[in-house]
Amino acid sequence: DGGITQSPKYLFRKEGQNVTLSCEQNLNHDAMYWYRQDPGQGLRLIYYSQIVNDFQKGDIAEGYSVSREKKESFPLTVTSAQKNPTAFYLCASSIDGTGDYEQYFGPGTRLTVT
Amino acid sequence: AQKVTQAQTEISVVEKEDVTLDCVYETRDTTYYLFWYKQPPSGELVFLIRRNSFDEQNEISGRYSWNFQKSTSSFNFTITASQVVDSAVYFCALSETLTGGGNKLTFGTGTQLKVEL
Repeated sequence: DGGITQSPKYLFRKEGQNVTLSCEQNLNHDAMYWYRQDPGQGLRLIYYSQIVNDFQKGDIAEGYSVSREKKESFPLTVTSAQKNPTAFYLCASSIDGTGDYEQYFGPGTRLTVT
Repeated sequence: AQKVTQAQTEISVVEKEDVTLDCVYETRDTTYYLFWYKQPPSGELVFLIRRNSFDEQNEISGRYSWNFQKSTSSFNFTITASQVVDSAVYFCALSETLTGGGNKLTFGTGTQLKVEL
């Protein structure tokens, strides 16, 4: 089955620790995205990648980092510099980065930092 | 800056009622795409529809229909004969071409739909 997987579904960390969220897709999509969702709000773009070895900051990139070494994988690291890391994180992919195609989303990772 | 407004925070209906979810957008782009996504309690966003700004024809898919009116910058979503399984948060989104290349989706804040027996 083609799709996007994110792991783990729930993640708990202590304040001051970096944590990496996994995102893998087998849809052969070029573009991948990371969004953050807070209660009662829409999704906000953290980082996006149009192609392997390339990525750009989104609207709220501070305190986050990404890599895109493989087409299938786009891991997100939440660093200790992120002031309010507790949120629901969603990864998405699309055929390309032109905006002509819909984005498909993974099941999300709910991160809690205490 | 682009903006998507979903003024209805929460709607409650009784099963079999029709319900319309409103979406109003702002953009300076002449070509753009509009989307609707469904987010059930599990959290995953499910793609429902994509509409090109040049195509103002209404679309129907089963119990779902969409009304796109460029003149009023609206892209409303109607569920006919609602069912309990329709209970979810529904997001309207607008594509935006970024200056550095690529695109992003600007999301509204979502409408929580509750369908009760």
